Amino acid sequence: DVKVTQSSRYLVKRTGEKVFLECVQDMDHENMFWYRQDPGLGLRLIYFSYDVKMKEKGDIPEGYSVSREKKERFSLILESASTNQTSMYLCASSLSPSGGDPYEQYFGPGTRLTVT
Amino acid sequence: GQQLNQSPQSMFIQEGEDVSMNCTSSSIFNTWLWYKQDPGEGPVLLIALYKAGELTSNGRLTAQFGITRKDSFLNISASIPSDVGIYFCAGLPGRRALTFGSGTRLQVQP
Repeated sequence: DVKVTQSSRYLVKRTGEKVFLECVQDMDHENMFWYRQDPGLGLRLIYFSYDVKMKEKGDIPEGYSVSREKKERFSLILESASTNQTSMYLCASSLSPSGGDPYEQYFGPGTRLTVT
Repeated sequence: GQQLNQSPQSMFIQEGEDVSMNCTSSSIFNTWLWYKQDPGEGPVLLIALYKAGELTSNGRLTAQFGITRKDSFLNISASIPSDVGIYFCAGLPGRRALTFGSGTRLQVQP
């Protein structure tokens, strides 16, 4: 079974802190994604990566950055956390189009971040 | 970015009833997916649709890829309490990443 793990289930940070959210997948997937989930808004894509050291902005990248130094790990960074970044953050991974179903994304359990 | 309109936003039904929800888009999508999210967990893929007009079943779930490529629906027959959760549609608008609908929250009364 594919497993996507996230470093924390719950996190509380103060405004202005630098926050790191870590995601690890164990299936050698090329693609990895970060979403935030807010009530009534569904899942909104922040950033995604289709290869090591490669990244693309999603729909709401402002206030976030990402890092992918190794294939299995994709980090989301909040450079200076703000209260409007309080949300559920979901990481996902998938295979590339050349190998297997490219669009079946496997999700981690999520990190609920509260910024006070 | 692209937007998917998913309806209804929420449903409260009795066990045994059938459920229907749908997603529409103003743009053409090449792929439609339906996910379910249980409380406290990440979404899990239920059904994937890759061709216009395609009708696919997974147990009590049936989903269709609209012929215009701009819509999809999901039906759940004979609902049971474990069907409770949030259902998301997702589409692939021609880039590598999916666009998700806002979700349908389903509650089932035993």
